[in-house]
Amino acid sequence: DQQVKQNSPSLSVQEGRISILNCDYTNSMFDYFLWYKKYPAEGPTFLISISSIKDKNEDGRFTVFLNKSAKHLSLHIVPSQPGDSAVYFCAASAISGGYQKVTFGTGTKLQVIP
Amino acid sequence: DAGVIQSPRHEVTEMGQEVTLRCKPISGHNSLFWYRQTMMRGLELLIYFNNNVPIDDSGMPEDRFSAKMPNASFSTLKIQPSEPRDSAVYFCASREGSGIGSPLHFGNGTRLTVT
Repeated sequence: DQQVKQNSPSLSVQEGRISILNCDYTNSMFDYFLWYKKYPAEGPTFLISISSIKDKNEDGRFTVFLNKSAKHLSLHIVPSQPGDSAVYFCAASAISGGYQKVTFGTGTKLQVIP
Repeated sequence: DAGVIQSPRHEVTEMGQEVTLRCKPISGHNSLFWYRQTMMRGLELLIYFNNNVPIDDSGMPEDRFSAKMPNASFSTLKIQPSEPRDSAVYFCASREGSGIGSPLHFGNGTRLTVT
């Protein structure tokens, strides 16, 4: 039962263009959403997050949009740079057993072509 | 800040052998997580510790898996006996506090191959 779904395993984008990574979730109890970036042979690193009470959060080239009614969020990267090439994990958290349990998606591999 | 430290980076073992993965969380972080990464399921939570106490082990696949946290600076994940389907990358992560929005800090993982 995959509660957080990233249906696109991979994405290729030209340098300078916009990258849009999508994520869907099924659990309406999720109240915080995060994106992590992972380079090969390294652990995931936190990128950007959004609370369920907001619909947009922006940090430099990265913007996360949340559509609660559709249970959908997306990460926009603009302009895309070759250094953005990595696997991006969508994550969602909810209180479970008294703590913030974080559930991850399967990841989307982004390739930015110079 | 050395970050979360995992060892070994790579482990190759034969089916039936015992495997022990190790993790040193970031000093001051009171929450520790073990995740497993596979192509099919992404990052799966195996077990969560808070203040060295296991809180949620519902993700542990079966009795062959066990995890301990004897003190605030060390945790182990043990697989005994190991099977080929256990082959994956295992990540340890720590977090400061347990509140909403506190991001996880991951180690670089242990790539386990069971032949």
